[in-house]
Amino acid sequence: DAMVIQNPRYQVTQFGKPVTLSCSQTLNHNVMYWYQQKSSQAPKLLFHYYDKDFNNEADTPDNFQSRRPNTSFCFLDIRSPGLGDAAMYLCATSPRNPGNQPQHFGDGTRLSIL
Amino acid sequence: AQKVTQAQTEISVVEKEDVTLDCVYETRDTTYYLFWYKQPPSGELVFLIRRNSFDEQNEISGRYSWNFQKSTSSFNFTITASQVVDSAVYFCALSVANTGNQFYFGTGTSLTVIP
Repeated sequence: DAMVIQNPRYQVTQFGKPVTLSCSQTLNHNVMYWYQQKSSQAPKLLFHYYDKDFNNEADTPDNFQSRRPNTSFCFLDIRSPGLGDAAMYLCATSPRNPGNQPQHFGDGTRLSIL
Repeated sequence: AQKVTQAQTEISVVEKEDVTLDCVYETRDTTYYLFWYKQPPSGELVFLIRRNSFDEQNEISGRYSWNFQKSTSSFNFTITASQVVDSAVYFCALSVANTGNQFYFGTGTSLTVIP
């Protein structure tokens, strides 16, 4: 029944060790988003894909990369995680005309850095 | 520039009380959309409602109701007869037609319903 699926729910990695978070969707939505949410804060948009077009937010660190091999899957790669990257990472999707459509969120992946 | 303000950081109510969560937005665009999301402790963001700028009708869905007033740039959310399951963080968000995909979230209001 889940429509936006994030794996894993919890991820632990070591300082500086690359990590990949995954997101898949069954909604066939054109747009996929990655957000970072730190404790007691609002979600912060990192980047999004509109179909295959990648759109990076101006203040997203270079340490964060993304891949979207097909409509259903999107990955968030953190090349060298620092302690400040510990957060909840949320994936979301929306249809082709996203401005007036709600975004559908996954359950999130909580990333811890040792 | 777009901005959403949720001035209430934390609210506690006793079960069965009514509670209103405030949301004030700023935009110069005439076409925009407002949303409310619920984030329970488990972490997922659950969509509650969308309202566009041309529709000022208030909406009721069960115990939930929303009051959209363009004159005060507010989109407030009321829960009547609150229940423990309503405990969550609630986010108000804004999107505008000509910024495409960008959602502008408020900082959220943490609601605790005490049994």
